[in-house]
Amino acid sequence: NAGVTQTPKFRVLKTGQSMTLLCAQDMNHEYMYWYRQDPGMGLRLIHYSVGEGTTAKGEVPDGYNVSRLKKQNFLLGLESAAPSQTSVYFCATAGGHSNQPQHFGDGTRLSIL
Amino acid sequence: GQSLEQPSEVTAVEGAIVQINCTYQTSGFYGLSWYQQHDGGAPTFLSYNALDGLEETGRFSSFLSRSDSYGYLLLQELQMKDSASYFCAVRAPYNQGGKLIFGQGTELSVKP
Repeated sequence: NAGVTQTPKFRVLKTGQSMTLLCAQDMNHEYMYWYRQDPGMGLRLIHYSVGEGTTAKGEVPDGYNVSRLKKQNFLLGLESAAPSQTSVYFCATAGGHSNQPQHFGDGTRLSIL
Repeated sequence: GQSLEQPSEVTAVEGAIVQINCTYQTSGFYGLSWYQQHDGGAPTFLSYNALDGLEETGRFSSFLSRSDSYGYLLLQELQMKDSASYFCAVRAPYNQGGKLIFGQGTELSVKP
């Protein structure tokens, strides 16, 4: 009964490196989201998916790509990491009704040097 | 577009009652949610209001007035463990992905 699992939990990258963050859910939710949270700020939506094989841009999509090849997984990619992408990244999922809450993973703390 | 405003910080003493306000501007309204986040942790869902009025869940209550584009979270019998950040969020319709737009958060400090 893991819920929403994010991998890795921590990572330090050098500028220009690439990496992929994985979000896996076992709740059979259709909707998945990637947010970033910077110190003292709220969560900002990067990309989201309303179902397997679909993705859409959020508020701050530049510099990121996503894929949802399987319903249970939502991947967030950084092709060429920049210091401005140093942040805590949260994945969330939600069911199909408007009154259902979003369930968040524990976050990935990413530092770009 | 959508935007939310909430106070940046609130301080209260243990056992007291505190109210965290949230005003929003949105092109379409599909509910106001509240999330709690402890330092370094994941946001967790507290409450959701789609209609006007008060929703009560234990020590926490949430209120919504759609005509005023205003809501609040009420925390009663404050405990030290309630020290956290609280975010209000509005939800887009599901044909827009049901995405949440969050306020900047209110940091609540509970003092002994």
